[in-house]
Amino acid sequence: GAGVSQSPSNKVTEKGKDVELRCDPISGHTALYWYRQSLGQGLEFLIYFQGNSAPDKSGLPSDRFSAERTGGSVSTLTIQRTQQEDSAVYLCASSPPGRAQETQYFGPGTRLLVL
Amino acid sequence: AQSVSQHNHHVILSEAASLELGCNYSYGGTVNLFWYVQYPGQHLQLLLKYFSGDPLVKGIKGFEAEFIKSKFSFNLRKPSVQWSDTAEYFCAVRTVFSGGYNKLIFGAGTRLAVHP
Repeated sequence: GAGVSQSPSNKVTEKGKDVELRCDPISGHTALYWYRQSLGQGLEFLIYFQGNSAPDKSGLPSDRFSAERTGGSVSTLTIQRTQQEDSAVYLCASSPPGRAQETQYFGPGTRLLVL
Repeated sequence: AQSVSQHNHHVILSEAASLELGCNYSYGGTVNLFWYVQYPGQHLQLLLKYFSGDPLVKGIKGFEAEFIKSKFSFNLRKPSVQWSDTAEYFCAVRTVFSGGYNKLIFGAGTRLAVHP
């Protein structure tokens, strides 16, 4: 079946502008995660959704970052007043309910470049 | 705080050489362990995982990893690498928080280049 999809695949923006990144999880997956992969670094956890609620927002780097999930499906990560240090690949992952939730399936990512 | 260390940032091998990539984690409680691979231009894919049972786990494409609890390690191995194994490899640890949810903590990754 279809995997996790993300859009856009690439985004170039100017410093100070807002951006929205979208994630479509695998159908039926209840958990959704956002990670950030900066150049030369590993993946950094940002936020986790179970259904539409976000029990863990501990990874969001500042209040410029927010995320929502509607209908237990699509999620949007919004970065306001972007800064150059926000440049990174933003990855979304989803996992099914129950024990299988232990494995996360990743999307292709959105490559964000802030000029 | 939990952390994951991957000791080798860049590894260069010739085809047919043996591979071992180190991974150590700091969390002392129950952990689930993963290796993910990212081939050039592709997204992260699960290579193998350990939840419980036999500490030697086998994954796709001939990879295996051994969980050594006393050493907090989960090293990735392959007896004979191929050019197509050129990729970036990430070790990850899953920790379980109250409420049953989880997040993955990743190492910085190891870039493997295999020369024909």
